[in-house]
Amino acid sequence: QSALTQPASVSGSPGQSITISCTGTSSDVGGYNYVSWYQQHPGKAPKLMIYDVSNRPSGVSNRFSGSKSGNTASLTISGLQAEDEADYYCNSFTSSTNFVVFGGGTKLTVL
Amino acid sequence: QLQLVQSGTEVKKPGASVKVSCEASGYTFTSYGINWVRQAPGQGLEWMGWISAYNGNTKYAEKFQDRVTMTTDTSTSRVYMELRSLRSDDTALYYCARDRGYDILPKPSMDVWGQGTTVTVSS
Repeated sequence: QSALTQPASVSGSPGQSITISCTGTSSDVGGYNYVSWYQQHPGKAPKLMIYDVSNRPSGVSNRFSGSKSGNTASLTISGLQAEDEADYYCNSFTSSTNFVVFGGGTKLTVL
Repeated sequence: QLQLVQSGTEVKKPGASVKVSCEASGYTFTSYGINWVRQAPGQGLEWMGWISAYNGNTKYAEKFQDRVTMTTDTSTSRVYMELRSLRSDDTALYYCARDRGYDILPKPSMDVWGQGTTVTVSS
């Protein structure tokens, strides 16, 4: 069981917007602004999409945005495209002795 | 260019040890830390630990605390991860990933990833 809770799957049609949630506790997501989001296509290494809750690395489309409210972080993808179909993972720093925790991952299907 | 290149596939027997390397290039090695993350077949990402390339400081996940050692060699810009007492459930793809946290603690925004090293544990 992962420390951060994500929905197993979400789906949307091209052009729509979707949001993936990542729920933790006050010891991780709620307590620090060190939440990141990663995209992973099959057979590929993960790619950083959002860091520090809402910052986009250079080169990442502005269709990707992040936010946080309390113990839940969210990744929103607007204007869905076929290439967005992938697995998405959140992670966070945690004050527990484990230091870094990942969510279980969310499979995004573009219909 | 900016990259992390990992060592090749490993096949080990239960109870053995494995040591995976990760060579950094294209940036100042000692200005960042390195995380090790693994992914079992069909499963999600699991954080194993972090090492500072600046001072060698390490932080390990509780689950691996007794079996893992991470080290750095600044002369070759390499980081190593050794996992001991291997079990079948250690079969996974092991990634190294760069971290902005460079001295005391990880700051888990992993912006550069290695290609992954497959470790298979089987009798």
